[in-house]
Amino acid sequence: GQQVMQIPQYQHVQEGEDFTTYCNSSTTLSNIQWYKQRPGGHPVFLIQLVKSGEVKKQKRLTFQFGEAKKNSSLHITATQATDVGTYFCALRGSTLGRLYFGRGTQLTVWP
Amino acid sequence: DAGVTQSPTHLIKTRGQQVTLRCSPKSGHDTVSWYQQALGQGPQFIFQYYEEEERQRGNFPDRFSGHQFPNYSSELNVNALLLGDSALYLCASSLAVAGGLSEQFFGPGTRLTVL
Repeated sequence: GQQVMQIPQYQHVQEGEDFTTYCNSSTTLSNIQWYKQRPGGHPVFLIQLVKSGEVKKQKRLTFQFGEAKKNSSLHITATQATDVGTYFCALRGSTLGRLYFGRGTQLTVWP
Repeated sequence: DAGVTQSPTHLIKTRGQQVTLRCSPKSGHDTVSWYQQALGQGPQFIFQYYEEEERQRGNFPDRFSGHQFPNYSSELNVNALLLGDSALYLCASSLAVAGGLSEQFFGPGTRLTVL
């Protein structure tokens, strides 16, 4: 089956520091999606990337899709307490839309 | 406009029992997908329902079955529960569009504990 590997599994940062999580695949990805799951919550869609080298920004969040479409990253600038949660990358497979999730990166922000 | 709703919120069962989880999709959506999320893991796809039929299935045993009703709501049934079935069960709704599916919206999940 299709797989996406995500690193790191855990990240602890002090408020104001930057944070990056990486998503990698051994095969070319047609797309990559990013989700955020707050503690005790459910995954919430953040963004989808489909083009080689694509970069998208949402306020302090920057999403990138690699030129070879085998990796992606999510970067948060100047983390805040509200950024706490687990960030997942996911591949949307085929036209039926099944999602293949990475294991996620759990972000903890210290005051 | 209600989003995706799931019931119950929490459930405790014992090994060997059977459980039924319910999901109502977002208004206007016609496709329901079910995922299992074990603690510390990403969600794993169980199956997807469209037009009252299962049209895609993940790597889960036949103990996991489902149903979709004419109003697009869905049920997930798990028979002969095992300890390893303890997880958060997520329902995601979407709309079938030309070329695939619209964005998937997840419900709050049902936390199942098997003792």
